[in-house]
Amino acid sequence: DIQMTQSPSTLSASVGDRVTITCRASQSIGSWLAWYQQKPGRAPKLLIYKASTLESGVPSRFSGSGSGTEFTLTISSLQPDDFATYYCQQCNSYPFNFGPGTKVDIK
Amino acid sequence: QVQLVQSGAEVRKPGASVKVSCKASGYTVTDYYMHWVRQAPGQGLEWMGWINPNSGGKNSAQRFQGRVTMTGDTSISTVFMELSRLTSADTAVYYCARGNGSYPPTDYWGPGTLVTVSS
Repeated sequence: DIQMTQSPSTLSASVGDRVTITCRASQSIGSWLAWYQQKPGRAPKLLIYKASTLESGVPSRFSGSGSGTEFTLTISSLQPDDFATYYCQQCNSYPFNFGPGTKVDIK
Repeated sequence: QVQLVQSGAEVRKPGASVKVSCKASGYTVTDYYMHWVRQAPGQGLEWMGWINPNSGGKNSAQRFQGRVTMTGDTSISTVFMELSRLTSADTAVYYCARGNGSYPPTDYWGPGTLVTVSS
């Protein structure tokens, strides 16, 4: 199985900050990576797929990059609505494991 | 608009089974796959498997094989996930999530169904 890790596990930031979250895969997954945002008590929401393709309706302050084993999610200017937990998911091979999540909270 | 409506919370005793439903609207259920993902309280997301409502084809993570049954009833645009031989470790919110194919990503998610396993 491909194992996914994320760093940091928690990130404290202020509105307007540039935020970067890293996701690593235990073996190469090409560009087959998705990012989701989850707020407490809510279902996850797809943000980015194929490592860098923005899902329709997602604000352009979100961007993704990377390939192979290392990926990043960047929020260019953090907004109040962005405080949430972010998960990466490898979409390359079974089982489609998620990373453990990165919680972005208010500094 | 695309909507996935799931059945309500369930409580089961260890060893029992639970069946969760997911009714799709706003799109043709046979045009997409349905994935199932669960989340234990305070924990991360765990991918369980998928079903193709059109063909009935399905696949699941090895750790659930033999315990999970995914089915569909296209006449009512609904898919089902049944998990058997429940233990306390199966206490979680179970989500259905629409996918373009057998591989993620999944673009629309149901609100989740809390399954509590307790004696």
